[in-house]
Amino acid sequence: DTEVTQTPKHLVMGMTNKKSLKCEQHMGHRAMYWYKQKAKKPPELMFVYSYEKLSINESVPSRFSPECPNSSLLNLHLHALQPEDSALYLCASSQGPAEEAFFGQGTRLTVV
Amino acid sequence: LAKTTQPISMDSYEGQEVNITCSHNNIATNDYITWYQQFPSQGPRFIIQGYKTKVTNEVASLFIPADRKSSTLSLPRVSLSDTAVYYCLVGERNYGQNFVFGPGTRLSVLP
Repeated sequence: DTEVTQTPKHLVMGMTNKKSLKCEQHMGHRAMYWYKQKAKKPPELMFVYSYEKLSINESVPSRFSPECPNSSLLNLHLHALQPEDSALYLCASSQGPAEEAFFGQGTRLTVV
Repeated sequence: LAKTTQPISMDSYEGQEVNITCSHNNIATNDYITWYQQFPSQGPRFIIQGYKTKVTNEVASLFIPADRKSSTLSLPRVSLSDTAVYYCLVGERNYGQNFVFGPGTRLSVLP
C-alpha cells in the first residue's frame, strides 16, 4: 500500500466553524507533512512531524493546529479561518529525510 | 535553503524529448536535487533525485554538472499525459528542507 489518504476531499466551512482534516498512511513512514497550495502556486510547507513529534512549524498562524495521534495518522485542526485560507491542503509522508515523499490527493477547503 | 529558478512554462510536442533546467546558484555541499510532477488537483509525485553527475530511472534522467549550480530533468518521448507542473527542490537530506518546493515549470505537451 503506497497510498496517503486524505479526508474529506472537499470542505466548506464558515469563519466561526471548527473542522479537522485527516491524513492516514500505512507505509510505516516516520515523517508526515502538511502543505497548503493556492491556485497556480507551488505547495507551501506548513508543518513537519518526525517520529510523531512536531519538528518544523513554518510560522503558521495558530488557527491551524496540527496533531499526530500515532505514526499513521496526521490531523489538521482548523478554527476561525479566513477566506484567504481557502486552498488545497496536501498531506505527505516519507520514510526518511532522504526518501521520496508520497502525497495524498488533498482536501479542497473553502472558507466562506 | 538554495533558491531555485525554473522557466515558468514550456511547450513540446508528443514524442519529443523535453529538458527542463533548474538553476540553483547557491546550492550547498550537502544539498540534494529532487524533482516532482504535479497534475491539476492532485498531490505532487516524486520523479527523481540526485546529487551529482547523472541519475536515470524508468521515467526520467537527471543531469547535474560538476559545479552543481544547475540541473536538467530530461523526459524522453513525452506524451499528452506528461502535461503537468514540474518542480525542482534543493535541500539537505533532513526533514523539511528537502521538501520546500520551487516555483515550478508548467509543461504543455501538444499533439
